[in-house]
Amino acid sequence: AQKITQTQPGMFVQEKEAVTLDCTYDTSDPSYGLFWYKQPSSGEMIFLIYQGSYDQQNATEGRYSLNFQKARKSANLVISASQLGDSAMYFCAMREGPNQAGTALIFGKGTTLSVSS
Amino acid sequence: EADIYQTPRYLVIGTGKKITLECSQTMGHDKMYWYQQDPGMELHLIHYSYGVNSTEKGDLSSESTVSRIRTEHFPLTLESARPSHTSQYLCASSESTAASEAFFGQGTRLTVV
Repeated sequence: AQKITQTQPGMFVQEKEAVTLDCTYDTSDPSYGLFWYKQPSSGEMIFLIYQGSYDQQNATEGRYSLNFQKARKSANLVISASQLGDSAMYFCAMREGPNQAGTALIFGKGTTLSVSS
Repeated sequence: EADIYQTPRYLVIGTGKKITLECSQTMGHDKMYWYQQDPGMELHLIHYSYGVNSTEKGDLSSESTVSRIRTEHFPLTLESARPSHTSQYLCASSESTAASEAFFGQGTRLTVV
């Protein structure tokens, strides 16, 4: 079974609009971390935001926020005020287990975001 | 800026050749990883290491091998390259805390002809 599910292969948004990229996850461990990465066409992976399973508040980093709904096992990324430079592939990832730091990130299939002017 | 480096960035090589993809990090991270990614697709974990002399296979079966003789160095070797090995290979490292993100190198795009 997929640990990380991203159901939107592609999303289109206009500049200055907000966009939500969906991510659901599957784990039975109470301790886990959720990450979002951006991958531009150049190929590098850029870390955006992190949410821990025990964090009480949704994580925010500048224009990025994470809509964490633990009961639904969802961790959607919200990008406010989209910019042309936001056009890229976005990956949701999870690290799980009691020794969370000791496990590797498992990635979803990604969502391609296209921002138009 | 992350201090993790991969060489070469691009490699075109003939079938049957032995190749080594280099990955080095200067952050002193114990954890290092290799991911394989086809264009526009998800990343698949193929190898990881928790420290010197520790290596494990990832979720995706791979004919490659890795070694971790020094903390900063985590090379990946293909003894006999095949066209099916054509892909992008991404190396990453992370600290030993739960909230620590993985830092990625810029990747090696391998083409086997």
